[in-house]
Amino acid sequence: NAGVTQTPKFRILKIGQSMTLQCTQDMNHNYMYWYRQDPGMGLKLIYYSVGAGITDKGEVPNGYNVSRSTTEDFPLRLELAAPSQTSVYFCASSFATGVFYNEQFFGPGTRLTVL
Amino acid sequence: GIQVEQSPPDLILQEGANSTLRCNFSDSVNNLQWFHQNPWGQLINLFYIPSGTKQNGRLSATTVATERYSLLYISSSQTTDSGVYFCAVGGAFGNEKLTFGTGTRLTIIP
Repeated sequence: NAGVTQTPKFRILKIGQSMTLQCTQDMNHNYMYWYRQDPGMGLKLIYYSVGAGITDKGEVPNGYNVSRSTTEDFPLRLELAAPSQTSVYFCASSFATGVFYNEQFFGPGTRLTVL
Repeated sequence: GIQVEQSPPDLILQEGANSTLRCNFSDSVNNLQWFHQNPWGQLINLFYIPSGTKQNGRLSATTVATERYSLLYISSSQTTDSGVYFCAVGGAFGNEKLTFGTGTRLTIIP
């Protein structure tokens, strides 16, 4: 299993540009998550999904959109990039039943710089 | 929401030393994970430990859920142990989301 994969690894955007960060998992996990990590800080949740077709906001959703059309894929969309979105973005997945939660597995991250 | 505090924020040790990292949390949890973020930024799962004790080689962890804390022990430190250690918790009432602490930065000197 490849686990959780993310593309691209690095990206530089200009203010106002748009892009999609890709995330794929091959562990048949139902839950998927997007986090961002600012320098010197822990990770903060942007959006999450409990299954295909279902998404919900996390702690810092402003400026982002997500969709979940398949179990495997959970892309994160930035519509109008701003310098405040310069960060490292991590995708994660887990299997949970709503009562019992398993550990989350993280991808390698995407380092995004907005200039 | 749930609060997570880690201590100490920074730790500098000689190679071969032992260390204890602490994670305090403010509410009941159904998920607690310890991660190592290496100097290249990769997050490595160390333990999934909402309660009890686990060991993996030189590392072990204990979570006392009733007292709302977890400890990560690193014995016989190696330079490859350097990096930031994060504790992350998921709440007990349908909150599957992880809340991360701000981490402990560990530097092992040869």
